[in-house]
Amino acid sequence: AQKVTQTQTSISVMEKTTVTMDCVYETQDSSYFLFWYKQTASGEIVFLIRQDSYKKENATVGHYSLNFQKPKSSIGLIITATQIEDSAVYFCAMREDSNYQLIWGSGTKLIIKP
Amino acid sequence: EAAVTQSPRNKVAVTGGKVTLSCNQTNNHNNMYWYRQDTGHGLRLIHYSYGAGSTEKGDIPDGYKASRPSQENFSLILELATPSQTSVYFCASGGQGYTEVFFGKGTRLTVV
Repeated sequence: AQKVTQTQTSISVMEKTTVTMDCVYETQDSSYFLFWYKQTASGEIVFLIRQDSYKKENATVGHYSLNFQKPKSSIGLIITATQIEDSAVYFCAMREDSNYQLIWGSGTKLIIKP
Repeated sequence: EAAVTQSPRNKVAVTGGKVTLSCNQTNNHNNMYWYRQDTGHGLRLIHYSYGAGSTEKGDIPDGYKASRPSQENFSLILELATPSQTSVYFCASGGQGYTEVFFGKGTRLTVV
């Protein structure tokens, strides 16, 4: 059965530091796709970054990067040089090769303190 | 930038009434989705569509219908609204294959 788990419900860090948010997933497919989304205080859900299971290199977009550990079924999101506006809820999601549906984690609330 | 537009953005409905939530995308995406988001449940899939004329049940379809009359439009219909359907509803679209999906800004529905 497919499942995505985010165990950290809330994280609080100081501005300009680096934060890592955890996500583990379960799938029987050998090919799958992992995504991170951000939900802002206004409620908007924005796509951030993606990792394809067949790629060994960790994806990087701006100050977002991923720590993809395939043997551990883990896809961590790393945000460097955090800014106040990074405060949001972050969702991890997975799509299997055989399925158009996205499986969502429950989200991690990130609070950036000045 | 992908564009998904939902209307209305806010809606108050009466129990037992009919509610239609509309979604339009200008991305020429084949796949469209309706989710609801409630505190403590994250995003839950109600219905989705692979293209014009198709609708599929998601994880929580009871009490909802969907309609995809064209590539651009995907509606969620509550024939007999109930207070338990008070929630925030998100529409999303995604391209062929395994691309990311893009979300609308959400519709806050309150059923009284």
